Amino acid sequence: SAVISQKPSRDICQRGTSLTIQCQVDSQVTMMFWYRQQPGQSLTLIATANQGSEATYESGFVIDKFPISRPNLTFSTLTVSNMSPEDSSIYLCSVDWGDEQYFGPGTRLTVT
Amino acid sequence: QKEVEQNSGPLSVPEGAIASLNCTYSDRVSQSFFWYRQYSGKSPELIMSIYSNGDKEDGRFTAQLNKASQYVSLLIRDSQPSDSATYLCAVNIRAGGTSYGKLTFGQGTILTVHP
Repeated sequence: SAVISQKPSRDICQRGTSLTIQCQVDSQVTMMFWYRQQPGQSLTLIATANQGSEATYESGFVIDKFPISRPNLTFSTLTVSNMSPEDSSIYLCSVDWGDEQYFGPGTRLTVT
Repeated sequence: QKEVEQNSGPLSVPEGAIASLNCTYSDRVSQSFFWYRQYSGKSPELIMSIYSNGDKEDGRFTAQLNKASQYVSLLIRDSQPSDSATYLCAVNIRAGGTSYGKLTFGQGTILTVHP
């Protein structure tokens, strides 16, 4: 499977600020995904990021709040904008690899 | 109705027993089914994938799929304390024969294996 890394692994941010999370894969992949896992909850898909096209957002998530970049086949970023305490979650990127999906280690975000 | 539902937990089994985890899904076009294990503070780890009706075995794990009943399960034989984790069922909807990639997760079942 692909090796996926994320930066930062965790952060504590003040409300109203923005944080950009990076996801790096050791192989070229077509589809990358961003998920959110709120405390004690399961995973919810935020958006799908394909290289060379705009990200596709799921219901309840908008580009202004979660802008995504996908400049090449091994890298993507997710920005959490104008943060509030409700954005405190784990943010995970994942990739499609041979019909299976693998996750990065996640970014634990706390908004104070 | 939730798209993917897992049996309510937590589930507690003694060491050496069989742990049975169940999942139902609502969308009949679903084609791919996955079980992830998530340890506390870690990201989900893929442990089983299944695509066709029947059983699929990998070591102590067996996944069972019944598309007619829209049901997928995971059996863990000879359960060990190290199996204690949250188990997430995920379903991949494939549209038009191509990989859509979107995974929908169940709420997860917490499994505790006690010595």
